[in-house]
Amino acid sequence: SQKIEQNSEALNIQEGKTATLTCNYTNYSPAYLQWYRQDPGRGPVFLLLIRENEKEKRKERLKVTFDTTLKQSLFHITASQPADSATYLCALVNNAGNMLTFGGGTRLMVKP
Amino acid sequence: EPEVTQTPSHQVTQMGQEVILRCVPISNHLYFYWYRQILGQKVEFLVSFYNNEISEKSEIFDDQFSVERPDGSNFTLKIRSTKLEDSAMYFCASSGNSGGLRNEQFFGPGTRLTVL
Repeated sequence: SQKIEQNSEALNIQEGKTATLTCNYTNYSPAYLQWYRQDPGRGPVFLLLIRENEKEKRKERLKVTFDTTLKQSLFHITASQPADSATYLCALVNNAGNMLTFGGGTRLMVKP
Repeated sequence: EPEVTQTPSHQVTQMGQEVILRCVPISNHLYFYWYRQILGQKVEFLVSFYNNEISEKSEIFDDQFSVERPDGSNFTLKIRSTKLEDSAMYFCASSGNSGGLRNEQFFGPGTRLTVL
């Protein structure tokens, strides 16, 4: 069965450092991969989308990589700030573009 | 900035009762979705809706669930006979003018459903 794995343990880093979060998947060939931010009690907020034929995407302090051979995406936040503290969700889009499967998320804590 | 809205923010109901959760997607969006998130668990896809019909649904979306777009602005999720395990946060989302989930998706603030 399809599986999307994100590190369920919280990632604690110091302000100013780069946070790197991992998303691994099995038994899936997604056409697209998306990353979301979720704060407690709130809906997910879209951050970045990367297509299967793209290796890397950047937006301000965010960078996403997508390796379809390793079946892995890495999400980086450079120069992290305490305001970046949240849960980050990886989500895979099927080929038809009509279904999204989320990973369990990784909680990031950025300490001042 | 346009946003997805959901009502009510919190719904409490007795087991076996019917509930309707309401959403107003962003006005020029064409694709609509419902998700649920049980407390402490991951966000789960329920259904996608396009051109007035369901385009995909998960195995969670069984016969007790239905969706409707009764007018040009609302998008509803009905749960016919609620069970204790339906207690969750339900999120509505919409995405833009082409390509469905190949584009950015906007989520509403959620409705917390509590089944007693």
